[in-house]
Amino acid sequence: QSALTQPRSVSGSPGQSVTISCTGTSSDVGNYDYVSWYQQHPGKAPKLLIYDVTKRPSGVPDRFSGSKSGNTASLTISGLQAADEADYYCCSYAGYYTSWVFGGGTKLTVL
Amino acid sequence: QITLKESGPTLVKPTQTLTLTCTFFGFSLTDSGVSVGWIRQPPGKALEWLAFIYWDDDKRYSPSLKSRLTITRDTSKYQVVLIMTNMDHVDTATYYCVHRSVAFDPWGQGTLVTVSS
Repeated sequence: QSALTQPRSVSGSPGQSVTISCTGTSSDVGNYDYVSWYQQHPGKAPKLLIYDVTKRPSGVPDRFSGSKSGNTASLTISGLQAADEADYYCCSYAGYYTSWVFGGGTKLTVL
Repeated sequence: QITLKESGPTLVKPTQTLTLTCTFFGFSLTDSGVSVGWIRQPPGKALEWLAFIYWDDDKRYSPSLKSRLTITRDTSKYQVVLIMTNMDHVDTATYYCVHRSVAFDPWGQGTLVTVSS
């Protein structure tokens, strides 16, 4: 059982927007602005999409955006494309001793 | 450009000790704020962070695996080594070496380690 809770799956049609939630606690997501999101295609290593809740590394399209409210962080993907079909993982800092916790992952299907 | 590559055995027996080496390029593990570590993923399952070593030689371990893990570095060889003792079938996973400054980025290609007798 993962420390952060994500929906197992979400889906959307090309061009639509989808939002993936990531729910933690006041010890992780709610206490630190160090939430990151990763995209993983089958058989590939994860790729960083969002860090520090809202920041995008260079090269990541602005179709990907992050936000946080209380103990829940969210990743929104707008203008869905077939290439966005992948697994998505959230991660949060959780203090010195626990350090990092991941979500269980969400499979995005583009219909 | 930062790259990382994992190396080590692909098959270990239960109770054995696993030693994985990460060789990296494009940065120094003495650069302030930088860390390198290991994250694993059992087949079809979620990511789990294991251990990280920092530019100042600070080390962090997953609380649930701390007793079995040791992470070390050789800055002159640009390598980080993870040792995991008492391997079990549930430790079968792809083990990723990962660079971190602001986030886990980039990741190595991963190496699948199977625990089987």
